[in-house]
Amino acid sequence: EVQLVESGGGLIQPGGSLRLSCTASGFTFSVYSMHWVRQAPGKGLEWISYISSDSSTTYYANSVKGRFTISRDSAKNALYLEMNSLRDEDTAVYHCARQIYGSSSAFDFWGQGTLVSVSS
Amino acid sequence: EIVMTQSPATLSVSPGERATLSCRASQSISNNLAWYQRKPGQPPRLVIYGASTRATDFPARFSGSGSGTEFTLTISSLQSEDFAIYYCQQYQNRWTFGQGTKVDI
Repeated sequence: EVQLVESGGGLIQPGGSLRLSCTASGFTFSVYSMHWVRQAPGKGLEWISYISSDSSTTYYANSVKGRFTISRDSAKNALYLEMNSLRDEDTAVYHCARQIYGSSSAFDFWGQGTLVSVSS
Repeated sequence: EIVMTQSPATLSVSPGERATLSCRASQSISNNLAWYQRKPGQPPRLVIYGASTRATDFPARFSGSGSGTEFTLTISSLQSEDFAIYYCQQYQNRWTFGQGTKVDI
């Protein structure tokens, strides 16, 4: 069974840092590209970051570029999101998502998410 | 950035009725479009990708169509488990989502 389990969320003050983790199981993690997507309270889905299967390519949404860093450790079947200089508007549930293997770039499996609350 | 616009924001339908959801891209995205279903307390689930290819978990009453800038998700006969929020997503150039259409009773 494919599973993606996020962790690391919590309450953090503005300007602080947090590291999210996503642990994958039930599939060959090393061959899949992965993403982070967030949903702020009352808002829609926002894609924020991508990493290729071999970590050679990363992309970021403008809203987080320069503050967030995506990485992965395929030996540990883990995806990470390092978040720095956090702002109130970063408050959201953060999901990791698997990209379809092959030619499509849609997301075929998502984790339940972890809540990040940025507040003083 | 490619902007995705969904309509309507809310679609009120009765079980057994047909639901038609629209999604428009600010520029051509070919068929690089997906639809996701989101229920409270659950992560999004892929419904359609490649504009018209149905994901394995979803029955034939779900269908997608369109290309370029105009796309449609049709649920031919709504069942109780289909009431949810549906998001479109483009993956022509990076990834962006529409704001969602809530399908309710």
